[in-house]
Amino acid sequence: SYVLTQPPSVSVAPGKTARITCGEDNIAAKSVHWYQQKAGRAPVLVVYDDSDRPSVIPERFSGSNSGNTATLTISRVEAGDEADYYCQVWDSETDLWVFGGGTKLTVL
Amino acid sequence: EVQLVESGGGLVKPGGSLRLSCAASQFSLGKYAVNWVRQAPGKGLEWVASISTNGFYIQYGDSVKGRFTISRDNSVSLQMNSLRVEDTAVYFCARERSTVTIAEAFDLWGQGTMVTVSS
Repeated sequence: SYVLTQPPSVSVAPGKTARITCGEDNIAAKSVHWYQQKAGRAPVLVVYDDSDRPSVIPERFSGSNSGNTATLTISRVEAGDEADYYCQVWDSETDLWVFGGGTKLTVL
Repeated sequence: EVQLVESGGGLVKPGGSLRLSCAASQFSLGKYAVNWVRQAPGKGLEWVASISTNGFYIQYGDSVKGRFTISRDNSVSLQMNSLRVEDTAVYFCARERSTVTIAEAFDLWGQGTMVTVSS
């Protein structure tokens, strides 16, 4: 079955760029979605279909997908970006949704 | 405000049953595929079940297959039978972003309802 691998944690200083990866063999063949979840809150969609962004999400959030790795990039990181981030794909071979294990972003 | 609202969570003994409901506010839920996603305390997100707009296309995660049933009328329900301690989690319902295609990203989530399975 499909397994999405994310680093457990990423740390970044305010104003710098954070990159959170999501890995699986040939993930580039899938559409990857990204969610932000702040403590005690429901997840929020921040990037869909690899690189599209809901209108309410700041342009600082962007996504890419190539080869075996999809990446969520957060530019000019702010303290309010501190959260858990999850990638997600639809596994069309099994017709199941799969989430990555999540990455905790810490703003130093 | 456009939102999803879950209800029905609570405390239940192992082997027991519970029925969760997901209702929509300020939009027509019937136009969207809906999913249930759960999150055990301190853990990540786990997809549970999905139902299409017409209710004909239904999928379940491996850990709940045969025990949980998703259905819909004006709301979307999750009937949970033979509950186990490991089913303890916050259960979110989530809407897929497209009214036309399936397997789209989840663009609207409810606030979640807590299910605790314990003796």
